Amino acid sequence: TQLLEQSPQFLSIQEGENLTVYCNSSSVFSSLQWYRQEPGEGPVLLVTVVTGGEVKKLKRLTFQFGDARKDSSLHITAAQPGDTGLYLCAGHRGSNYKLTFGKGTLLTVNP
Amino acid sequence: EAQVTQNPRYLITVTGKKLTVTCSQNMNHEYMSWYRQDPGLGLRQIYYSMNVEVTDKGDVPEGYKVSRKEKRNFPLILESPSPNQTSLYFCASGRSAGGWTEAFFGQGTRLTVV
Repeated sequence: TQLLEQSPQFLSIQEGENLTVYCNSSSVFSSLQWYRQEPGEGPVLLVTVVTGGEVKKLKRLTFQFGDARKDSSLHITAAQPGDTGLYLCAGHRGSNYKLTFGKGTLLTVNP
Repeated sequence: EAQVTQNPRYLITVTGKKLTVTCSQNMNHEYMSWYRQDPGLGLRQIYYSMNVEVTDKGDVPEGYKVSRKEKRNFPLILESPSPNQTSLYFCASGRSAGGWTEAFFGQGTRLTVV
């Protein structure tokens, strides 16, 4: 059973559209992170959220941590081809430093 | 430049031939970890280390060994590789803060075991 479920698995949209991807779990996480991975590269950290209900913005990207700290979402406004990549959520539970990843959402933004 | 460096980037080997993938970081991070990434399975943690001489198993440790003799290095050892260890491997380092760690990844090592 996957601890962190990401949806959708694949998403293909046109430049300028808005989109939201989700990261859900039945477990509580002490923190959740979002990474983006491009082909042939390692994942790159985008943001860490640690407080239930927290919202963080990074230019056109908005990240939200659920009130119960079991889920998170990533919203992209006016997507651009440069946003194309695999978006991964990852979380820590309690004081354990073990970092668990979801399987990711593969986003393609077409010009 | 702050970075995590893995070597080699690509490796083809035969079943049973011991190999080591090196990982080095120049950011003085306490935390280091190894992951493998497979289609349909995502990133899975193999081993991690919170500091020198401290290592712990991740989700898929079978068939792998690690050591942390120095803070900057965290090699991954496959004593007797098998074809099911063919995968894309990533090393990561990070600074721990209040119960979580923000990971910085290397560029990956694509391993094929025939």
